[in-house]
Amino acid sequence: AQSVSQHNHHVILSEAASLELGCNYSYGGTVNLFWYVQYPGQHLQLLLKYFSGDPLVKGIKGFEAEFIKSKFSFNLRKPSVQWSDTAEYFCAVIPYGGSQGNLIFGKGTKLSVKP
Amino acid sequence: DTAVSQTPKYLVTQMGNDKSIKCEQNLGHDTMYWYKQDSKKFLKIMFSYNNKELIINETVPNRFSPKSPDKAHLNLHINSLELGDSAVYFCASSQDTGSNQPQHFGDGTRLSIL
Repeated sequence: AQSVSQHNHHVILSEAASLELGCNYSYGGTVNLFWYVQYPGQHLQLLLKYFSGDPLVKGIKGFEAEFIKSKFSFNLRKPSVQWSDTAEYFCAVIPYGGSQGNLIFGKGTKLSVKP
Repeated sequence: DTAVSQTPKYLVTQMGNDKSIKCEQNLGHDTMYWYKQDSKKFLKIMFSYNNKELIINETVPNRFSPKSPDKAHLNLHINSLELGDSAVYFCASSQDTGSNQPQHFGDGTRLSIL
């Protein structure tokens, strides 16, 4: 069965620090990849997505993610975090050509940014 | 305008009661979903409907019954509520079931069972 691993449960950073959140998936075929963000008390919002092409994708609010097929990874990065980036971040994977109902979420990484 | 709206936002009730959560999307999407997010923030799909038809029904107790009167609405009815049902329930929608279609989520309904 496919699965998504987010190894960092809780990351605490100071403002202006650089961020990298890990995401690894287990699936042998082509995948579509997503990062969603959930700000405190709010709904999940799409941060960025990768379907094909350039493996470095840019999302909203200065976030980017790099798809490394050989490592089955899709890590999220931001060069300089802000206090407003405090949120829960979810990596999600769906097999290419599969149904959105098969979207599999990781367990999330909580990011706390200290002002 | 809220794209995916759920009501109520908070629901506090006693064990054994029956309750419903409503969800509406004004995005013109064909597909809607219900997710359960537990206390550890883990998101798990419960149901998926496409054009009012059930297409995904994960291992969910049959006390949970989704109903889709039209493709813009997907309501969730829960019978005989149990303590373990306490969670945040998210409704979501996507253009269709295609794997490249991102999902749009509602604000969630926080269900607390006393």
